[in-house]
Amino acid sequence: GAGVSQSPSNKVTEKGKDVELRCDPISGHTALYWYRQSLGQGLEFLIYFQGNSAPDKSGLPSDRFSAERTGGSVSTLTIQRTQQEDSAVYLCASSLGGGTNSPLHFGNGTRLTVT
Amino acid sequence: DQQVKQNSPSLSVQEGRISILNCDYTNSMFDYFLWYKKYPAEGPTFLISISSIKDKNEDGRFTVFLNKSAKHLSLHIVPSQPGDSAVYFCAASAEYGNKLVFGAGTILRVKS
Repeated sequence: GAGVSQSPSNKVTEKGKDVELRCDPISGHTALYWYRQSLGQGLEFLIYFQGNSAPDKSGLPSDRFSAERTGGSVSTLTIQRTQQEDSAVYLCASSLGGGTNSPLHFGNGTRLTVT
Repeated sequence: DQQVKQNSPSLSVQEGRISILNCDYTNSMFDYFLWYKKYPAEGPTFLISISSIKDKNEDGRFTVFLNKSAKHLSLHIVPSQPGDSAVYFCAASAEYGNKLVFGAGTILRVKS
């Protein structure tokens, strides 16, 4: 079956521009997560959506970052006025419903390079 | 503030031998621990997990051990195979598996 799909796979942008990253979770998965991995670092939690509940935005590094999830399915992560330190691989994951019986399934990520 | 630490950036093991990957954590509220495996240009894939009420969980060649008093867990792979060569991430959660906190990863190379 189809896994988590992310687009684009690579994005190069100039400093100061806005970017949108897209995530299509596995059908039927109610939980959706965004993580990012900077060079040599572990995965850093950004934001978590669970069903119709208010998202947990506690990991967003600044107000330049925002995310939405439309219709409980597709999610878009937007970074405004990109900075060089935003360069990283942005990973989306989904799970059946959160909790210990629902491991996260990750997409292949979007590699963002800010020049 | 690294709550989950993988102190060995890399590990090299001969095919057929045991691979032991280690992970330390600082948050005593963590109650669920996982290992993920990542190949280049792919997302991490779930490997094995353990709840804080257990001290061992086994799945085929993979066994995870949890030492709560030492705040330490380890992943044992035996026998190691060349296809196991990947980056291994330790992760922990204080919310029943939500909001995983990841370590920086350990690169495992299994030599044939």
